[in-house]
Amino acid sequence: EPEVTQTPSHQVTQMGQEVILRCVPISNHLYFYWYRQILGQKVEFLVSFYNNEISEKSEIFDDQFSVERPDGSNFTLKIRSTKLEDSAMYFCASSDSGLAADTQYFGPGTRLTVL
Amino acid sequence: AQKVTQAQTEISVVEKEDVTLDCVYETRDTTYYLFWYKQPPSGELVFLIRRNSFDEQNEISGRYSWNFQKSTSSFNFTITASQVVDSAVYFCALSGSSGNQFYFGTGTSLTVIP
Repeated sequence: EPEVTQTPSHQVTQMGQEVILRCVPISNHLYFYWYRQILGQKVEFLVSFYNNEISEKSEIFDDQFSVERPDGSNFTLKIRSTKLEDSAMYFCASSDSGLAADTQYFGPGTRLTVL
Repeated sequence: AQKVTQAQTEISVVEKEDVTLDCVYETRDTTYYLFWYKQPPSGELVFLIRRNSFDEQNEISGRYSWNFQKSTSSFNFTITASQVVDSAVYFCALSGSSGNQFYFGTGTSLTVIP
């Protein structure tokens, strides 16, 4: 069964460093998403991406964040200058269409720890 | 505004007991969709079910069942004859017609004791 994959599973970085989290969405899906989950809290939407453009973003997704689809398979989230409060689990998701009805399938997550 | 409330933070049951996880939602959309996801200790989010706002039929899938009631804005999830492998955090989520982001509740941590 097709699945979303994410690398690395765990990333440790120093405050102020740049990190890139990588995702490979399900191959025939067209919409891609990033969510984050601070430890013990709910999963929060960051951004959705379609046709090489951001289609929707939350207040959390400020200028420190960027997303990119550098090739036909990868989808990345970059945090330019990490802060302690960026420590969280980051989930990538993909869906067939961008409709509200469409199920989003999530990857296993990348745990980011900022020291 | 879209909002999902899962008032039960943690639940513990003994194996083979039935357990119901509550989910209450708020939305102004007339068309919306509700989801349940399971997050086992390994951390991934596993899709369980999707329900649209026009379909109030309850659904059963093996030991899992879902009760959707628009009158009370609830979408509750029942596990019958719970098993240790059911131990996980369960999230209820909502998506509305105004966008494609999911709104998650805070999750209910279920522990099934052998």
